Amino acid sequence: DAGVIQSPRHEVTEMGQEVTLRCKPISGHNSLFWYRQTMMRGLELLIYFNNNVPIDDSGMPEDRFSAKMPNASFSTLKIQPSEPRDSAVYFCASSSPGLAGAGSTDTQYFGPGTRLTVL
Amino acid sequence: GEDVEQSLFLSVREGDSSVINCTYTDSSSTYLYWYKQEPGAGLQLLTYIFSNMDMKQDQRLTVLLNKKDKHLSLRIADTQTGDSAIYFCAERSGGYQKVTFGTGTKLQVIP
Repeated sequence: DAGVIQSPRHEVTEMGQEVTLRCKPISGHNSLFWYRQTMMRGLELLIYFNNNVPIDDSGMPEDRFSAKMPNASFSTLKIQPSEPRDSAVYFCASSSPGLAGAGSTDTQYFGPGTRLTVL
Repeated sequence: GEDVEQSLFLSVREGDSSVINCTYTDSSSTYLYWYKQEPGAGLQLLTYIFSNMDMKQDQRLTVLLNKKDKHLSLRIADTQTGDSAIYFCAERSGGYQKVTFGTGTKLQVIP
């Protein structure tokens, strides 16, 4: 398995521009999570989906941030307009509930991240 | 709500044991985890422990869980320079496989 795939790996943009980050979860996983990591705030959960449905978006900083999951194999995180304080590493992770009766550790598998720099 | 706390930094000499500590607040946690993040990479599961266990050993790693005090620790025996990374404590909380992560402890191994 290729693992969680994120693109782009690096993004440099100017303030006010729209930024779209992409994620392909591991095939068969039914939960997808978007995180943001900064030195100041550590790792923050922004939003997560279960079976393509947004469950909790309380971590989304403000209306400039939006996330979609149109199907089980693709999700986007969009920032419009972007601001310098959005500069961070954005991670996508996916997990699976495991087989019924087999027990599940709910392990999350992380992608390599997208390093976003907003000038 | 759920809260997971860790110290930010730990420095040890190569060959010594490292102990990284974590406290959490959700008494209903079912699983607790240790993730490792190497520079420029995402988090990767290192080990986990089920909440009805007190200890779990996996090669150089020993996880201790004190449910009464809501305290979790990770001991790395014979620490190597390759163990230098950020270690995150996490707890399974809520539904839909949501996990709450701690702030991360940066482990520096001095040769």
